[in-house]
Amino acid sequence: DVKVTQSSRYLVKRTGEKVFLECVQDMDHENMFWYRQDPGLGLRLIYFSYDVKMKEKGDIPEGYSVSREKKERFSLILESASTNQTSMYLCASSDPAGAGHNEQFFGPGTRLTVL
Amino acid sequence: GESVGLHLPTLSVQEGDNSIINCAYSNSASDYFIWYKQESGKGPQFIIDIRSNMDKRQGQRVTVLLNKTVKHLSLQIAATQPGDSAVYFCAEGGNQFYFGTGTSLTVIP
Repeated sequence: DVKVTQSSRYLVKRTGEKVFLECVQDMDHENMFWYRQDPGLGLRLIYFSYDVKMKEKGDIPEGYSVSREKKERFSLILESASTNQTSMYLCASSDPAGAGHNEQFFGPGTRLTVL
Repeated sequence: GESVGLHLPTLSVQEGDNSIINCAYSNSASDYFIWYKQESGKGPQFIIDIRSNMDKRQGQRVTVLLNKTVKHLSLQIAATQPGDSAVYFCAEGGNQFYFGTGTSLTVIP
């Protein structure tokens, strides 16, 4: 059974704090993605990675960075959290070589509140 | 970025009726289209996808229709059940996907 896990379901941080959101997948997928989900805006891509040590900016990378040191783990970092980064963060992975290579498997999400 | 929109933000249907959720997309070069279901407190879950060279695909109780002429995608759910209540997203793209804002489906028992 495929699984994408995220380190926290709920997180509350203060403005200016450094925040780490961790994502782990157990499917040996090449691709991993970080999205944020906001009411009325849908899912917006922050960063993605097609391989270890590799990262690409998505549509809204400002204020975020990522790390992919191991294939199964993709971390999203907020260097200095701000209130406008309060959101639901979703991690996903996909296998470009698989039969359903366009299907992205999502984690349960982390609801981050920045005070 | 791409523009992917949904015609209606909410939809209510009677249990047992068929549901139709619509989606408009803007990029005629998109290769794949996917429908996702997101239940409250959970991440999106894949329902069904369709390639750009197809116009219809059926799954279990679900059918996706693609009209490339008008850049329109729809998801049909047969015999809607209470467990189908969720937010439904369409997504278009290839290697990278762009998601719509979602339609909230409520099934009335």
